[in-house]
Amino acid sequence: SQQGEEDPQALSIQEGENATMNCSYKTSINNLQWYRQNSGRGLVHLILIRSNEREKHSGRLRVTLDTSKKSSSLLITASRAADTASYFCATRANNDMRFGAGTRLTVKP
Amino acid sequence: DGGITQSPKYLFRKEGQNVTLSCEQNLNHDAMYWYRQDPGQGLRLIYYSQIVNDFQKGDIAEGYSVSREKKESFPLTVTSAQKNPTAFYLCASSTPGVGRHYGYTFGSGTRLTVV
Repeated sequence: SQQGEEDPQALSIQEGENATMNCSYKTSINNLQWYRQNSGRGLVHLILIRSNEREKHSGRLRVTLDTSKKSSSLLITASRAADTASYFCATRANNDMRFGAGTRLTVKP
Repeated sequence: DGGITQSPKYLFRKEGQNVTLSCEQNLNHDAMYWYRQDPGQGLRLIYYSQIVNDFQKGDIAEGYSVSREKKESFPLTVTSAQKNPTAFYLCASSTPGVGRHYGYTFGSGTRLTVV
């Protein structure tokens, strides 16, 4: 069963704007991860945040985690056309990972 | 360079036929996973293996089988019992146990179509 649910399902912005995607999950987790998928390709790991962390940065990415609300957000700042892809959150509880249905981000040049 | 290789990239299966998807990694990862992705949807776990000669069913294992005879290889067989096999199949690997705070490395996927 899928653990995470991303919101919105689709997001369209102009280049240079910020993009925010949200993820909600249902059970206790060890960590939460965000992945990117270009059309027809495999997933690429972007960033991992542990359950005892609240915020993490990596380049233009900022991830927050609120374990009390069982939610996370991914912020991509100063978006570029090359950021166009699907973004998935994934939660790890024990020995496997569960993925949400993803947010489809389109960045218009 | 280390990574995961999935082959073939495209695969066509006739009704009633078994097909095997290959997944090979040279990352020295202990754990390997198979996911299925349908259009516009997330990933669903088929099978996973934490160690050689051991594997567990995921959420949608019916109609699939796997083997893990070598650390580097985790082939997936889609059997004739899988009634709707057309999908994009992704293989991943990671370090389990104490490495549970590491991300997964994914292959580039195999697109299976029933003809």
